[in-house]
Amino acid sequence: DAKTTQPTSMDCAEGRAANLPCNHSTISGNEYVYWYRQIHSQGPQYIIHGLKNNETNEMASLIITEDRKSSTLILPHATLRDTAVYYCIVRVASGGSNYKLTFGKGTLLTVNP
Amino acid sequence: NAGVMQNPRHLVRRRGQEARLRCSPMKGHSHVYWYRQLPEEGLKFMVYLQKENIIDESGMPKERFSAEFPKEGPSILRIQQVVRGDSAAYFCASSGLAGITDTQYFGPGTRLTVL
Repeated sequence: DAKTTQPTSMDCAEGRAANLPCNHSTISGNEYVYWYRQIHSQGPQYIIHGLKNNETNEMASLIITEDRKSSTLILPHATLRDTAVYYCIVRVASGGSNYKLTFGKGTLLTVNP
Repeated sequence: NAGVMQNPRHLVRRRGQEARLRCSPMKGHSHVYWYRQLPEEGLKFMVYLQKENIIDESGMPKERFSAEFPKEGPSILRIQQVVRGDSAAYFCASSGLAGITDTQYFGPGTRLTVL
């Protein structure tokens, strides 16, 4: 699976949009981008995933660049409860051991009042 | 629809005792995955099971650790003769399918403390 690079930490003001970047310059054509987050002491929470088109759900939006080498997770109106470590994971679509999610260090997003 | 359930949420054992961690997947899910998170580290894959089958246990320590997912009942992660280094958070995830991009949903975890 392709390696991802994320900033160690970010701050965001409550009510503003939080934009979390992820670089995955070695991503292959059949690899998806997944985002999870882990609020302190809780289990990882699935947020969103995509292949090449931008995706949106009730939690967030995922913007993937045309060359697919990077992506941005957008939380449109961050709240204090969004403070968490956010993980960007690249996962092959099928075959091999694609079920093994590889969690890096992620980005600690702190939402400030 | 209940999510992935794990129990106990906290478990304290003395060195040499056995630890049993349980995981009930989401309704309709037949694939279970166990991950371990050591203090200040990321989650690491341990084992992948389907009903009555271990598919991949490449992340499991070779000794003292075992996992099962019986036809009836929850998946069990068993650690025999625990040592202090086993202290960690153990997370279970489940999915409806595997081999394609089916999403894994995680439980709240079991925090094991070995005294």
